[in-house]
Amino acid sequence: SQTIHQWPATLVQPVGSPLSLECTVEGTSNPNLYWYRQAAGRGLQLLFYSIGIDQISSEVPQNLSASRPQDRQFILSSKKLLLSDSGFYLCAWSVGSPTDTQYFGPGTRLTVL
Amino acid sequence: AQKITQTQPGMFVQEKEAVTLDCTYDTSDQSYGLFWYKQPSSGEMIFLIYQGSYDEQNATEGRYSLNFQKARKSANLVISASQLGDSAMYFCAMRDEGYSTLTFGKGTMLLVSP
Repeated sequence: SQTIHQWPATLVQPVGSPLSLECTVEGTSNPNLYWYRQAAGRGLQLLFYSIGIDQISSEVPQNLSASRPQDRQFILSSKKLLLSDSGFYLCAWSVGSPTDTQYFGPGTRLTVL
Repeated sequence: AQKITQTQPGMFVQEKEAVTLDCTYDTSDQSYGLFWYKQPSSGEMIFLIYQGSYDEQNATEGRYSLNFQKARKSANLVISASQLGDSAMYFCAMRDEGYSTLTFGKGTMLLVSP
């Protein structure tokens, strides 16, 4: 069966520091991968999605970037964090047909101070 | 542009009763998919149920059913026989034809009381 891992689970970082969040999927090949952010008490905002290695689309222009160094690994990065980057970051995967249902990881709670 | 509207910020229900969570959507596409997710306090988003726009029957998954009314563009989630563990945020989401991305509503907080 497929599983998705995210780490770290929680992170507290000072403003201006770098960021690296990692997401790994097991048990499937060539997944679509997604990064979402959820601000406190709000819905999900899609940040990036990838349909393959070196194929990453950005949905929201900001100081975040994403990379996919391996087929089942998706990394969210920042060179300098802002206070507004605080939130709950969720990674998800899907495999296309027939319903292309997205399955989510446990999330990373990021606090920028 | 896609839009998902969940008009109920919070809902209360007693254990063992049924509850309906509302979701309306807006799209000009003929082919699309509708999803419901549950987010407990732990934060993980749990997939509950899927309805395709061409599906003639309402989707069901155990105690969850989706009341799909295409002409009204609504996709309400019905939870039968509520349990204490159903207390969580519930999100409705939609995917348009040709896209892999989802658009989420703002969610409804459901509280189940004994």
